[in-house]
Amino acid sequence: DTEVTQTPKHLVMGMTNKKSLKCEQHMGHRAMYWYKQKAKKPPELMFVYSYEKLSINESVPSRFSPECPNSSLLNLHLHALQPEDSALYLCASSQVAGGSDTQYFGPGTRLTVL
Amino acid sequence: GEDVEQSLFLSVREGDSSVINCTYTDSSSTYLYWYKQEPGAGLQLLTYIFSNMDMKQDQRLTVLLNKKDKHLSLRIADTQTGDSAIYFCAEIRTGNQFYFGTGTSLTVIP
Repeated sequence: DTEVTQTPKHLVMGMTNKKSLKCEQHMGHRAMYWYKQKAKKPPELMFVYSYEKLSINESVPSRFSPECPNSSLLNLHLHALQPEDSALYLCASSQVAGGSDTQYFGPGTRLTVL
Repeated sequence: GEDVEQSLFLSVREGDSSVINCTYTDSSSTYLYWYKQEPGAGLQLLTYIFSNMDMKQDQRLTVLLNKKDKHLSLRIADTQTGDSAIYFCAEIRTGNQFYFGTGTSLTVIP
């Protein structure tokens, strides 16, 4: 099983809302990632969690707040977003971080900020 | 960081071979990857190649690696309409950070 699941599939929110994106994997992977992908562009790395600890934050604005409650779950809390934050948000996981490990991606959450 | 370069578009006729090219930047990358993304979907891992290999074949897919020129290619034999998608190459840089190519949109004409 190489499945990474993400919920919701689609999310529409206003600039004053608070919402969360969820990601889950049951492959025993210890590294999890959040990427942001704009239309017709490659994914851009936002955050890396390794053994449930935040190891990389690619200078992401504080209105995006990641959380890793356990080794299978990764959340992305959203607050006071801007319309330019509308994008496809992809979660990925790999066995470990810091090595050359294949990343497996979820289907993404399509976020629209009004 | 420096861009991983790909041609933006490629059109082929059904049944022909497709060749998608990628120029990467980090000569110390140990693995190089090809992902496929269909419209509105996530990234599907297609194949990968270890940096000490020149070629890897997996059913209809052939990956060629030229380390000297930092050039990677993906050949799809007998291309089908279901192969229409965006294809991203990816390299790993320091700290297991993936850097994706700019993406090639493949259109298969019936």
